[in-house]
Amino acid sequence: NAGVIQTPRHKVTGKGQEATLWCEPISGHSAVFWYRQTIVQGLEFLTYFRNQAPIDDSGMPKERFSAQMPNQSHSTLKIQSTQPQDSAVYLCASSHSSNSDYTFGSGTRLLVI
Amino acid sequence: QQNVQQSPESLIVPEGARTSLNCTFSDSASQYFWWYRQHSGKAPKALMSIFSNGEKEEGRFTIHLNKASLHFSLHIRDSQPSDSALYLCAVRTSSGQKLVFGQGTILKVYL
Repeated sequence: NAGVIQTPRHKVTGKGQEATLWCEPISGHSAVFWYRQTIVQGLEFLTYFRNQAPIDDSGMPKERFSAQMPNQSHSTLKIQSTQPQDSAVYLCASSHSSNSDYTFGSGTRLLVI
Repeated sequence: QQNVQQSPESLIVPEGARTSLNCTFSDSASQYFWWYRQHSGKAPKALMSIFSNGEKEEGRFTIHLNKASLHFSLHIRDSQPSDSALYLCAVRTSSGQKLVFGQGTILKVYL
């Protein structure tokens, strides 16, 4: 079991460019979550999928952020027109059921310059 | 809107000490409670969870939950340098599946 796999581990983009982050959840886990972690804001919920369907995107900045889960083996988080304030560690997690622990990936550290 | 607060923000204790970390939440409908631990540069990892009022012990770690007080805590007995990490509490209501996390407590255990 390789755990939750996130790629890339680090990404540097110029202001205004697009960034796409990838997540491969643990096989058999029905729920996939995206969080953003910064020193100031802590761990902020962005969005989640259950059985590939989007369930709650209440934490997503609406205009530039989007997430998809085209199949059960991967999810993507896309940020258009990146801004310096988007710099953070983006964490993906998956869980087997509603009462189960989340298993987090190692994250993608995004730096927008 | 769930609001989860942790205290203290940071804690420095000697090896062997008993450490207590606190978490308060705002939504009285909350039903599931977790502590996660995150070592520097690593992913958060689930440490313990509790789903009903009372205490739960696993090795050196004890969780205590008081839903009426909207409070739960993590106690570490015989703290070790390897316990040094960011500790995150998390809460979930019965209606949703997402966890809402606190800001975290940074624990440092020195020799």
